[in-house]
Amino acid sequence: DVKVTQSSRYLVKRTGEKVFLECVQDMDHENMFWYRQDPGLGLRLIYFSYDVKMKEKGDIPEGYSVSREKKERFSLILESASTNQTSMYLCASTNAGGLYGYTFGSGTRLTVV
Amino acid sequence: AQSVTQPDIHITVSEGASLELRCNYSYGATPYLFWYVQSPGQGLQLLLKYFSGDTLVQGIKGFEAEFKRSQSSFNLRKPSVHWSDAAEYFCAVGAGFGNEKLTFGTGTRLTIIP
Repeated sequence: DVKVTQSSRYLVKRTGEKVFLECVQDMDHENMFWYRQDPGLGLRLIYFSYDVKMKEKGDIPEGYSVSREKKERFSLILESASTNQTSMYLCASTNAGGLYGYTFGSGTRLTVV
Repeated sequence: AQSVTQPDIHITVSEGASLELRCNYSYGATPYLFWYVQSPGQGLQLLLKYFSGDTLVQGIKGFEAEFKRSQSSFNLRKPSVHWSDAAEYFCAVGAGFGNEKLTFGTGTRLTIIP
């Protein structure tokens, strides 16, 4: 079964810490995405990548950066975590063309205290 | 730019009753349309998708959706809901090849009562 794996289900970090969220897919997908999910706001796109070392800003990139050094891995980085970044973070991937829809990871619930 | 509206934040349905969840989209060309379901504490699972062709599409778990271009809608339906259908449902729109980014609606939470 195809999978998108997010390294942590729950994380608690302190304000100002640098935080890494890792995502790995085993489907050889070209495209990978990071969304955050907040009640009443749905899913909002932070960053996406359509190829190794390529990245594009989504709708809410402020305070975040990403890294894609290998095709299967897409990392989200919070340079200096703040309490307003407390959220559920979802990673997804899809093939070129997106005809099969996204495959999502189980999510990482991040709490910044 | 594409956008999606799910006008119902929360819907409550009796077990065995029929269900329709509404989705309206905005996009200039023929969109790629998706419905996803999210169980509590989980990621999203694809229910069904529409790209072209037959406007009535069948998905998993007995769900179907109908694309109506004239109404810019892609409503999700199920003839008889089960308690296990309680979840949050998201509609999404995409532009297709070369632009695989999806825009999601804010979701509809479905509660099933016995």
